[in-house]
Amino acid sequence: ENVLTQSPATLSLSPGERATLSCRASQSVSTYLVWYQQKPGQAPRLLIYDVSNRATGIPARFSGGGSGTDFTLTISSLEPEDSAVYFCQQRVSWPLTFGGGTRVEI
Amino acid sequence: EVHLVESGGGLVKPGGSLRLSCAASGFIFSDYNMIWVRQAPGKGLEWVSFIGVGGTFIKYADSVRGRFIISRDDAKNSLYLEMNSVRAEDTGLYYCTRDLTVVIRAFDYWGQGTLVTVSS
Repeated sequence: ENVLTQSPATLSLSPGERATLSCRASQSVSTYLVWYQQKPGQAPRLLIYDVSNRATGIPARFSGGGSGTDFTLTISSLEPEDSAVYFCQQRVSWPLTFGGGTRVEI
Repeated sequence: EVHLVESGGGLVKPGGSLRLSCAASGFIFSDYNMIWVRQAPGKGLEWVSFIGVGGTFIKYADSVRGRFIISRDDAKNSLYLEMNSVRAEDTGLYYCTRDLTVVIRAFDYWGQGTLVTVSS
C-alpha cells in the first residue's frame, strides 16, 4: 500500500498569506496525485488532479506541484473561506489511498 | 446538475448487515466509474470500493474485502454497497462519489454521505 504522509498537521496563517502544504508518498505515484478540500460538515471537494490540473471552478490561487514522491499544494493568497482540511490522494495503484490531511486555520 | 444522494445508513449491531444505496442524477450514470469512500468520525478519508463502467471491474480495500459487495444498476442510476459482518471500525460516514473520467481516479462529485454506526 502506498502511504501518503501530509505535513504539517495544522497550518495557522493570516488572510493574504501564502500556504504551502506537503504530501509525501512512500512509493512513486508519478504525477497521479490529487488534492481535495473539506470544510466542516461538508463533503470533500476536488481541487486539483494529476498534480497541477485545477478542477472546474477552482480559483487560480490554488496550485499544485511535484512529482514522484513529493508534492505540494500552494494557496497563493489565503482567503477566509479557505479554512478547511486538505487531503491528498494517489490514483496510480490499488488500493487508492489518502493522506491524513492538513488543517488550514485562518 | 449532478446529484448523488446516499441512503440506507443507520445503527447496526456488530456482525450485522446493511445495504447502502446511492441515487445518481444529472449525468449519464452508465458512463462513469463509481466509488464508495468512508470517513470515521473526526478522521480522514478511506477509499472503500470501486466499480467500473459496466460493473465488471471491481476493487475493494483490504479492510472490507470478503465482507462488502459493491454493485450498480445502470437502469436505475443507482450504486449500492452491501455491508456484511460489520465491525465497530466500519462506523463512519459513507460517501458515494464518481470518477472524473473513466481513466482518471479523481472524485469530482460527492454525495452528502450516509452515516453507519456499528454498536451493540
